[in-house]
Amino acid sequence: EPEVTQTPSHQVTQMGQEVILRCVPISNHLYFYWYRQILGQKVEFLVSFYNNEISEKSEIFDDQFSVERPDGSNFTLKIRSTKLEDSAMYFCASKRQGIGEAFFGQGTRLTVV
Amino acid sequence: GENVEQHPSTLSVQEGDSAVIKCTYSDSASNYFPWYKQELGKRPQLIIDIRSNVGEKKDQRIAVTLNKTAKHFSLHITETQPEDSAVYFCAASIRDTGNQFYFGTGTSLTVIP
Repeated sequence: EPEVTQTPSHQVTQMGQEVILRCVPISNHLYFYWYRQILGQKVEFLVSFYNNEISEKSEIFDDQFSVERPDGSNFTLKIRSTKLEDSAMYFCASKRQGIGEAFFGQGTRLTVV
Repeated sequence: GENVEQHPSTLSVQEGDSAVIKCTYSDSASNYFPWYKQELGKRPQLIIDIRSNVGEKKDQRIAVTLNKTAKHFSLHITETQPEDSAVYFCAASIRDTGNQFYFGTGTSLTVIP
């Protein structure tokens, strides 16, 4: 069964450093999402991406965040200058057009020290 | 925007008993309501979903009910087993669009053997 895959599984970075989280969505999916989950809290929406552009973003997704689909298969989330409060589990998800279910990756645990 | 509320935040039941988790939503345009199960350290996985043209859906020990008028939906797990222990998230979305999923705050279910 096809899966959304994310790398790395765990990333430790120093405050102020840039990080790039990578995702490979399911191949025939057209909608892509990034969510984050701070430990013990609910899953929060960051951004959605369709047709090579951002279709929706939340207040969390400020100028420090950006997304890219550089080569037609990868979908990346970049945080330019990480803060301590960016520490969370980041989930990528993808969805096939016209079908409701979103499939989640296994997550990248980002720890900012 | 959509606001999804979920209750209770924690739930403990004896093995074999039933568990019920309730969610409400605010946006009448939402028409797709998935439930995700998240085991510790793992990705959220869809366990059941319901669309707004249906009032109830059942899959073995799991059922979901939807009341569109009152804007609430519930997850019912019967004959609970220890492996049902996890965090359960409800969500609301507009199906067939790229719109984000709005998640509830999660219910931590513990099934006591």
